[in-house]
Amino acid sequence: AQSVAQPEDQVNVAEGNPLTVKCTYSVSGNPYLFWYVQYPNRGLQFLLKYITGDNLVKGSYGFEAEFNKSQTSFHLKKPSALVSDSALYFCAVRARSGANNLFFGTGTRLTVIP
Amino acid sequence: NAGVTQTPKFRVLKTGQSMTLLCAQDMNHEYMYWYRQDPGMGLRLIHYSVGEGTTAKGEVPDGYNVSRLKKQNFLLGLESAAPSQTSVYFCASSSGTSRSTDTQYFGPGTRLTVL
Repeated sequence: AQSVAQPEDQVNVAEGNPLTVKCTYSVSGNPYLFWYVQYPNRGLQFLLKYITGDNLVKGSYGFEAEFNKSQTSFHLKKPSALVSDSALYFCAVRARSGANNLFFGTGTRLTVIP
Repeated sequence: NAGVTQTPKFRVLKTGQSMTLLCAQDMNHEYMYWYRQDPGMGLRLIHYSVGEGTTAKGEVPDGYNVSRLKKQNFLLGLESAAPSQTSVYFCASSSGTSRSTDTQYFGPGTRLTVL
């Protein structure tokens, strides 16, 4: 079975500071990993994904994520946070076998303080 | 190019009533999905479809039915609504052409309240 854990319900960071949103996963074999962002009253927007290759993945809006196989983690990062980054962030995993379903974490609410 | 659209945006039902949520995509995607989002639980897959005329159960299918009569549309039905089905429902679609590169794109959601 596959699962995703986002250990922090809430992350607060000052504007201009680096931010990290944590994600760990459990899946048989090598995973496909995704980050999505949800702004208030909106659907989920795709940020980035890890399929294979370079462990550092760059995505939209200056976000990046680092895949760490030994720690089974896929943390989302940004060097300098903006107030407009405040939103709900979801990590998701898809196994390399079976259907194309995504399994989502419970989400982390990021608040960037001006 | 509107992407993925959902109707209605909001709905209030009484227990036992029925309704259908409509999802439409204009990206010629093969795969479509219905999720529900509940506080503290992330998104959970209800049903999905890998092509016109096909449907399959996801993680939480009980109380819901789906149909994919046209490639661009995926309908989610509640035959007899229950308060436990109060949730935000999201539709998503993906090309399905490659397992490794397949990315799901989401609609804006439907907020359903069952009294």
